[in-house]
Amino acid sequence: DAKTTQPPSMDCAEGRAANLPCNHSTISGNEYVYWYRQIHSQGPQYIIHGLKNNETNEMASLIITEDRKSSTLILPHATLRDTAVYYCIVRPIIQGAQKLVFGQGTRLTINP
Amino acid sequence: EPEVTQTPSHQVTQMGQEVILRCVPISNHLYFYWYRQILGQKVEFLVSFYNNEISEKSEIFDDQFSVERPDGSNFTLKIRSTKLEDSAMYFCASIQVLTDTQYFGPGTRLTVL
Repeated sequence: DAKTTQPPSMDCAEGRAANLPCNHSTISGNEYVYWYRQIHSQGPQYIIHGLKNNETNEMASLIITEDRKSSTLILPHATLRDTAVYYCIVRPIIQGAQKLVFGQGTRLTINP
Repeated sequence: EPEVTQTPSHQVTQMGQEVILRCVPISNHLYFYWYRQILGQKVEFLVSFYNNEISEKSEIFDDQFSVERPDGSNFTLKIRSTKLEDSAMYFCASIQVLTDTQYFGPGTRLTVL
């Protein structure tokens, strides 16, 4: 089972920042937080991941609380193309064949 | 940017028939995966593959399923005798050890009639 809890749905206005929360209160010290998204029925798309420091890339920012029990994915200027299901996934640091365990995710709708 | 590719994009088959779904992982990746997603449900792990053998498989991955890397580029999922409940999107993924990030293909929609 997924070790994360996410709201089932969220709305955001186009051009505004979308902030997607994730609770992972049972995360252990050797686990990353990964974020993926799935647009319609396409393959999941990697967004960002982090261990304990905040991370930023060209797609998004990831804010992880100091106790690592929750995180927030931030899409700074949401566009209509960001409408998708967003998955927060906890995964062991051990490199290699570690599967991803998907939950139901958050269905984010960007409104014009 | 390199991508995982999958063929066909859509496969329709009769119940009881064998199907082979094909994937071309990113070229320098070493670990390979299959996942599936039944319509309206979660993405589910099926199997992982490394060094020409299965690393891990889920309960879904029973004797009807097999995987193979027949050459240096392709990675295949075979379903020996398809059932109606095998209808789903099947996603291939691959990972480069150093980045430890899985990249997914666009999927094959399998419809079993």
